[in-house]
Amino acid sequence: EAQVTQNPRYLITVTGKKLTVTCSQNMNHEYMSWYRQDPGLGLRQIYYSMNVEVTDKGDVPEGYKVSRKEKRNFPLILESPSPNQTSLYFCASSPGQGVGGFNSPLHFGNGTRLTVT
Amino acid sequence: GENVEQHPSTLSVQEGDSAVIKCTYSDSASNYFPWYKQELGKRPQLIIDIRSNVGEKKDQRIAVTLNKTAKHFSLHITETQPEDSAVYFCARPGDGSYGKLTFGQGTILTVHP
Repeated sequence: EAQVTQNPRYLITVTGKKLTVTCSQNMNHEYMSWYRQDPGLGLRQIYYSMNVEVTDKGDVPEGYKVSRKEKRNFPLILESPSPNQTSLYFCASSPGQGVGGFNSPLHFGNGTRLTVT
Repeated sequence: GENVEQHPSTLSVQEGDSAVIKCTYSDSASNYFPWYKQELGKRPQLIIDIRSNVGEKKDQRIAVTLNKTAKHFSLHITETQPEDSAVYFCARPGDGSYGKLTFGQGTILTVHP
């Protein structure tokens, strides 16, 4: 089954304790990205990756890191989490670009609800 | 970066009525205009998208219309049903940074039986 798998689904941690949220897709998609979802703010892009070893900042990258060493995996790293990073996080993948730029649907994972106390 | 304004933020309709959600965007060369639906507690999923070489696209009870001159695109749902109740998001790719994607703030649609 084609899917994007995120782990864990729920995570409660304390301020300053490094954590990683994993994301893996089995559709051979070139493009992967991370979003956070907060009430009233919609989905905001944190980082994206157009291909292996290529990552770029989205609209809210502060406090986050990513890596893309393999095509299927795109982990989100919080080196020193803070309470303002409490949110619902989504990973997504897409076949990528076509003529005229980004024009493919995103396939989302099931989300990770992170609470930082 | 791309600025996307989505309205209304909440929309309440009676079953069988139509619903319209509008997104206005700033200057962008991208030709891709998607809409996503997110049911409560679930992930967003694409419901319809349109490329700018067409002005309208329809899929059963759902349609998207595009006005590139006025820089807005709209989602139309006809004959609404309770299962249409969800949050709907529009999105726009960014100019220059083809991987950047900006979502609207979302519209909570409630369809009353």
